[in-house]
Amino acid sequence: DAGVIQSPRHEVTEMGQEVTLRCKPISGHDYLFWYRQTMMRGLELLIYFNNNVPIDDSGMPEDRFSAKMPNASFSTLKIQPSEPRDSAVYFCASSLRARAYTDTQYFGPGTRLTVL
Amino acid sequence: AQTVTQSQPEMSVQEAETVTLSCTYDTSESDYYLFWYKQPPSRQMILVIRQEAYKQQNATENRFSVNFQKAAKSFSLKISDSQLGDAAMYFCAYRSAMGAQKLVFGQGTRLTINP
Repeated sequence: DAGVIQSPRHEVTEMGQEVTLRCKPISGHDYLFWYRQTMMRGLELLIYFNNNVPIDDSGMPEDRFSAKMPNASFSTLKIQPSEPRDSAVYFCASSLRARAYTDTQYFGPGTRLTVL
Repeated sequence: AQTVTQSQPEMSVQEAETVTLSCTYDTSESDYYLFWYKQPPSRQMILVIRQEAYKQQNATENRFSVNFQKAAKSFSLKISDSQLGDAAMYFCAYRSAMGAQKLVFGQGTRLTINP
């Protein structure tokens, strides 16, 4: 399996622009997670989906952030408008089930976002 | 809310030696899971080892083992026979066994291996 795929790997944009990050989970996994990593706040969950339905979006920082999962093989995280404080590495992860500890969350390579 | 604390921002060890990374957590739950993830310079998050709270036996994966002290809420990682490829950021993480499925991460420990 190719693992979790994220695109783009790097994104540089200007403040005010719309940014869309993409994720393809591992085939057959029914949980998908979006995390953000910054120096100040470390790794934190933004939102997660189960069977394409958002379950917990309490980590989404504000209305400028939105996430969708239109089907089992694709998810997007959108920031509109972007701000310099959104600069971070955004990770997507997926797992087969999330109950048992053996259901590991597999992480993608991350997208490094820089907002100028 | 659960919190995870890694009190060592940086650690270094000589190649082939043993190093222990510390992690403490705070929770009111009795059943949960604990993990150590490795993040090399490539940024990829890689699971190193995992432990269920109700299992008293410490988990072991080859050169990696944990010392899980539930009463003390401590979960340290021991790396034996350190290798150059072990150099990375190491993150301790907590996940509830019920309800929220998110991983709660510590701030990380940067491990350097000296040849």
